[in-house]
Parts: sequence; C-alpha cells; structure tokens
Amino acid sequence: DAKTTQPTSMDCAEGRAANLPCNHSTISGNEYVYWYRQIHSQGPQYIIHGLKNNETNEMASLIITEDRKSSTLILPHATLRDTAVYYCIVRSPDDYKLSFGAGTTVTVRA
Amino acid sequence: EPEVTQTPSHQVTQMGQEVILRCVPISNHLYFYWYRQILGQKVEFLVSFYNNEISEKSEIFDDQFSVERPDGSNFTLKIRSTKLEDSAMYFCASRTDNEKLFFGSGTQLSVL
Repeated sequence: DAKTTQPTSMDCAEGRAANLPCNHSTISGNEYVYWYRQIHSQGPQYIIHGLKNNETNEMASLIITEDRKSSTLILPHATLRDTAVYYCIVRSPDDYKLSFGAGTTVTVRA
Repeated sequence: EPEVTQTPSHQVTQMGQEVILRCVPISNHLYFYWYRQILGQKVEFLVSFYNNEISEKSEIFDDQFSVERPDGSNFTLKIRSTKLEDSAMYFCASRTDNEKLFFGSGTQLSVL
C-alpha cells in the first residue's frame, strides 16, 4: 500500500547537489513527509522531515510543494559517503511506525 | 551522539532452534521497535513496544516471536523455533516522544 513513489535509482557527481524527488499525491493534510537513508546493510538513518514548510538541517533540505503532493530532498554537496538508498515516507501523526518502500538508490560518483 | 546498540552483529542458528536478538535502546527513549529486512527486500515493521507491552504488531509477528524488556535497559526479540525464512537483518529502533526513530546497525540472522 505505497503512499509514495520514488525513482528506482539515480547517479550524482561528487560535490554537486543531489535532488531526490518523491510523489505523494494522496497525502492527507496532517501527514508528515519523512526522509531516511540506508547505507549498505546498516540501519536506516533519519535525515529530515516536514509537514508544509520547507525544512533545512545540517544534512539536507526538504522542499515540499504548495499542494503537498510532492517533495524533493536536496543533498547540497554530495560526497561518496552519501551513496545509499533514500526512502521518502509519509507518516500519520498518530502512527509512529515507518512503512518503508523500495526507495531510491543514489550512487555518488567521483 | 547516542546510539542504539545491537548484539550480536551476526547470528547463525539451526532451523528449529530458539534465538534471542538483543538491543540496548538509547537511554531516555520510551518507545521501542523491531524491523527486519530480508536480503534484497524492503525494511518491514515487526512490532512496537511501550510501557512494557506491545503497542502494535504486524502480521509477520506471529506466535513464534516475542519481545521483552527484561531489565530496563535491554530490549530483546525472541524467535522460538526458527525457520529458513526467518533469515534476515533485524533492526531495533527507539525514540522518545520526538518523532525521530533511531535505528541500530542490525543483527544478521542466518538460519541453516
């Protein structure tokens, strides 16, 4: 029961910004958009989340469209260590468990 | 930064044997989770735990599985009689009232 759609894979050049799209056209008004990533065989790692406004932290920026039907995760200066599977997850406010999809496999190339 | 610790990192067992996977959540966290990831597949929710009881469990979490917080610091997942299809990476996670889940580095369970 996928709530999000992400590209299967994408490549990015080291040092450049990586823009990861996510579609969530059925998102409800009170549902959050979360991003996690999983570096090879490690546990998922929280990146950022938002509701309506754009958000930025030390790892990334999250841009949510005004209609909230899609979002973009931006890694401003990708490094080789950013190679990972990136998951876009829609979460209801009263449901803290996360439902992971297949994510986007991002490969950062030197 | 505090982290969720899981032991062992690898566990090999024979089919039909019992295994216990151990996790030490972050010390001030109150909500605990187990997930699993079969090789090449998605990360799947198994169970959530709060205030010494299961809050929610998935259909995967059948009678062969149990969880326990035996001593106020550890959080364990027991599989009573392992099957070949239980082979997977098992992740423990925890959180405070904050929305962020912190995951451990996982235990790779191999059932032979």
